[in-house]
Amino acid sequence: DVKVTQSSRYLVKRTGEKVFLECVQDMDHENMFWYRQDPGLGLRLIYFSYDVKMKEKGDIPEGYSVSREKKERFSLILESASTNQTSMYLCASALAGALEQYFGPGTRLTVT
Amino acid sequence: SQKIEQNSEALNIQEGKTATLTCNYTNYSPAYLQWYRQDPGRGPVFLLLIRENEKEKRKERLKVTFDTTLKQSLFHITASQPADSATYLCAPAYSGAGSYQLTFGKGTKLSVIP
Repeated sequence: DVKVTQSSRYLVKRTGEKVFLECVQDMDHENMFWYRQDPGLGLRLIYFSYDVKMKEKGDIPEGYSVSREKKERFSLILESASTNQTSMYLCASALAGALEQYFGPGTRLTVT
Repeated sequence: SQKIEQNSEALNIQEGKTATLTCNYTNYSPAYLQWYRQDPGRGPVFLLLIRENEKEKRKERLKVTFDTTLKQSLFHITASQPADSATYLCAPAYSGAGSYQLTFGKGTKLSVIP
């Protein structure tokens, strides 16, 4: 069974803080993705990576950066958290060229 | 830009009936389309995939159709059960840099009433 884990289920941070969200997958998948999910807006792609040290912007990369130093780990970084980044953050992984994505349980981030 | 519409935000049906969810897309031609199930507070779970050259795909009580002319996919759950209550997401896919990328619809929340 593919397992995608995220470092926290719930996180509360203050405006201006630097925030790290970690995602780890145990199935040697090449591709990893970060989404955010908001009511009425659905799932939106922030960044993705198809190899170690590679990254590509998704639909809403502003205010975020990512890091992929190891194949199994993909980190999402909020350099200076703002209240409009309060959301559910979901990480996913997939085999290269594969069609289905495996999601983690999500991190509900609140920025106050 | 790509646009995806799922027919309704919420759908209520009686147990035992067939639920039909609709997904319409515009401004692109996806190579394939996926359906995911999402339960409250959890990540989406993959259910079915259908390719552009397939008309229909089945898995147990689930059936998906894909009409590239109408730019529409239908997702059916036959003999629905209360355990099928969840939000269902449509995700057409296109080929991007080094990977297939999914664009998700906002989802339809299905409630199966006993």
